[in-house]
Amino acid sequence: NAGVTQTPKFQVLKTGQSMTLQCAQDMNHNSMYWYRQDPGMGLRLIYYSASEGTTDKGEVPNGYNVSRLNKREFSLRLESAAPSQTSVYFCASSELQGEETQYFGPGTRLLVL
Amino acid sequence: GENVEQHPSTLSVQEGDSAVIKCTYSDSASNYFPWYKQELGKRPQLIIDIRSNVGEKKDQRIAVTLNKTAKHFSLHITETQPEDSAVYFCAASVDSWGKLQFGAGTQVVVTP
Repeated sequence: NAGVTQTPKFQVLKTGQSMTLQCAQDMNHNSMYWYRQDPGMGLRLIYYSASEGTTDKGEVPNGYNVSRLNKREFSLRLESAAPSQTSVYFCASSELQGEETQYFGPGTRLLVL
Repeated sequence: GENVEQHPSTLSVQEGDSAVIKCTYSDSASNYFPWYKQELGKRPQLIIDIRSNVGEKKDQRIAVTLNKTAKHFSLHITETQPEDSAVYFCAASVDSWGKLQFGAGTQVVVTP
């Protein structure tokens, strides 16, 4: 049982480039989330998917898009990267929508030059 | 929307002493309050959570208290050990769909 996995672990982009961060979970969870973590700001929700086929914006969605490909996979896309998107990105999942434990992936460290 | 404030931002304690981290929230509709621990370079992991129908919850050396009237909740770690050194985040539920609002985090350093 791998839990929540993310690829890549580390990425360097130039301003204006695009990329997709991948996330997959093998716990048969319904809900999945994307967060960014910046120093002194905690974890901020970018997008979430309460169940397969649904996605919704979180606190900081600008500059990002998401796809819930199937129940297992939830990807985050940066169409035109900006230096302000330099951050550590975490994917998380929970069994049900609502007040449930969220299990986090190992994170992707992104540097935009 | 929900706003969660967490204090202190850093906390240094001697091994064996207790550590207390406090969080306040703004939305009286929040019902779920988890605490996550993040070791350096690792992912956040849930260590304890509490729901609004409970005032206190304990798990070995860790306890959480909730005061819904005052809209604050606290994490208590007793008999601290070096492996308790980490960043701790509190969070409050934003809605019934699983969205959480996190505090800014507390860096806890336990010195031998």
